[in-house]
This record gives sequence, C-alpha cells and structure tokens, in this order.
Amino acid sequence: GEDVEQSLFLSVREGDSSVINCTYTDSSSTYLYWYKQEPGAGLQLLTYIFSNMDMKQDQRLTVLLNKKDKHLSLRIADTQTGDSAIYFCAESIREYGNKLVFGAGTILRVKS
Amino acid sequence: SAVISQKPSRDICQRGTSLTIQCQVDSQVTMMFWYRQQPGQSLTLIATANQGSEATYESGFVIDKFPISRPNLTFSTLTVSNMSPEDSSIYLCSVDSGTDTQYFGPGTRLTVL
Repeated sequence: GEDVEQSLFLSVREGDSSVINCTYTDSSSTYLYWYKQEPGAGLQLLTYIFSNMDMKQDQRLTVLLNKKDKHLSLRIADTQTGDSAIYFCAESIREYGNKLVFGAGTILRVKS
Repeated sequence: SAVISQKPSRDICQRGTSLTIQCQVDSQVTMMFWYRQQPGQSLTLIATANQGSEATYESGFVIDKFPISRPNLTFSTLTVSNMSPEDSSIYLCSVDSGTDTQYFGPGTRLTVL
C-alpha cells in the first residue's frame, strides 16, 4: 500500500539549518518530491529526486534518500523567515499513472 | 515548468448548489489531475482527467458528485455538485509536465454555508 509520513512541526532559528523528514512505504516509488505551501497559496514544487539516486543538491536545498529505510529528508541551509511554510513530501508510482501520494505536511516555523 | 491558472480563486456558496472550477494550462499536457485539500489536511487525489474519455476516479469519489470535463489538452473543469459544508476545501488542479514532475495551480478556496 501507499503511505507517506512526516513529522508535523519544526521550529528553527533564522540562519540555522532545517531538516524535514519523511518516510514512505511503497518500494516501487518512481520519484519523490518536496512541495512548499505558503499560507493561502497553492503548492510550489521545490525539488524532486529519482528513486535510484541517493542525494540531490539545489542551492540551499539538499535532498537525501535512503532507499533501504525508505527515508527521505529535505535540508534547508541558512533558513530564512521566508522559508516559513508547510512542506509536503510526496511519492509517485508510475504503475498507478503517476498519481501523487502526499504526506500530512510539516509546518516549518522560522524564528528571527 | 507549466503555468497553470484556476478560476475562481475563491467562492462562497450555498448548500445544495453546484460550482464549476476551471483549470487552464499554458501548454499541451497529457495528464491533468484534481486534488482536494480539506482544512488543515494534506492533499487527496480526486480523479485523473483524461482527454477525450471519462475521468478516472479514486476510491471515495464518484462522477455524480465531482463531474470532470477535459475537452482538450490545455483545459479541464471540475464541478462540485449538490454542495454541503463538508465540501469546504481547497481544490487544486495539477499537470504532469511529461518529465515526471507535477505542477500545481494556485487552488480554488471553496466555502459552503
């Protein structure tokens, strides 16, 4: 079955690094995604990683994938107040027509 | 990335009425999806909008309640029928860009009184 779990809340100080964690259950996941949702807004695709990769870095964002433990993390370096938002982890499974299965979302609060 | 717009951005509706939400993409895409985000919740897929054929609905969602149209490769509509307060949610469309990435529209915030 498909299930994606995330920690619900994270609070960090401005300038620190943030690490948001996610676990998934379906080993046939094709891609894993991180989306950001600011208050009252839609979802913004932040980054994604193919399931045969271990790491992807994009400016302040680093995604780590541990396929053995089915664990995905998003690290935000030098976290800013503008990073305060809800972060959703999602997986897609090609055999299910690329349907996205979302986690519950992690609320990131950045204190100045 | 695809640019996606939705209309309306928000609406307040009376119980028992219906609302049609439009989703427009700036390029032709094969796959379009409709999601619901209930207050304080994550996103749940309602259906996949297929061009030229009936939509494919997820468990718990039916065509009579959420009829979907997909007349061409850049446009889709979702209708929320016979609304009740439990239908108050954000409704989002998304598109698969063809590179295994999905981009989302800004969402339609629906409140049913």
